[in-house]
Amino acid sequence: DGGITQSPKYLFRKEGQNVTLSCEQNLNHDAMYWYRQDPGQGLRLIYYSQIVNDFQKGDIAEGYSVSREKKESFPLTVTSAQKNPTAFYLCASSIRPPKISTDTQYFGPGTRLTVL
Amino acid sequence: SQQGEEDPQALSIQEGENATMNCSYKTSINNLQWYRQNSGRGLVHLILIRSNEREKHSGRLRVTLDTSKKSSSLLITASRAADTASYFCATDRRGSEKLVFGKGTKLTVNP
Repeated sequence: DGGITQSPKYLFRKEGQNVTLSCEQNLNHDAMYWYRQDPGQGLRLIYYSQIVNDFQKGDIAEGYSVSREKKESFPLTVTSAQKNPTAFYLCASSIRPPKISTDTQYFGPGTRLTVL
Repeated sequence: SQQGEEDPQALSIQEGENATMNCSYKTSINNLQWYRQNSGRGLVHLILIRSNEREKHSGRLRVTLDTSKKSSSLLITASRAADTASYFCATDRRGSEKLVFGKGTKLTVNP
C-alpha cells in the first residue's frame, strides 16, 4: 500500500514544550514538504526538502525545525519559539525536486495540533 | 501575498447542477493545479494544466486556463453531494521552487 502517513492525527501540547510531528512516505519521492493551514485559509509552506540531508525554509519557517536523514521521513518539530502553533499541519511529497519540475503533490491526512 | 485567489469563497448548489470556481493569479506561471480537500483531511490532486494548455478534462471536471487574463476556472458538471469539499488552486511562479495555494472555495452540494 503506497502512500504518505502522518502521526499522530491529534496532538496536544502545553505552552513552552517542543513537539515533533511525523511524516513518512513509501512512494520513493525525492521531495517532501510541510504546510500549515489555519481555519478558512489556504496552505502556507513551512519547510521543504528536495533531497536527503537537504532542506530549505518556506514562507513561515520561524519557530519550526526539520530534518531529512532518510528519503522516507521528514519530521517537523514545532518549538516553543513558535508563538501561535495551534493549526492543522499537512505533509506532502512529490516525485521530483521542485528545482527540476513542479509536480503533483501527494498529501498526508494531516495532524491537528492544539496548544493548551 | 497570495499568488492564487479563488472566488467565490463559498458556493452552495443543488445536486445535479454545475459548479464553477475561479482562480486568479498575479505573475507568470509554469502550471496551475487544482486540489480538493474534504473537511479535516489532506488535499487530493485533481488536475494539472500547463501554461501552454487552454483546457483540460478529467471525468466530470473541466479546467480552463487563460494566461492573458491570469485566470483559471474549474467546472464540476452534474454535481453530487459527495463533491462537497473545499477546492484550492495552486500555482508555481516561473523561477520559484514553491507551489503557492489560494484560500480555497468551499463548495456545498445539497442533496
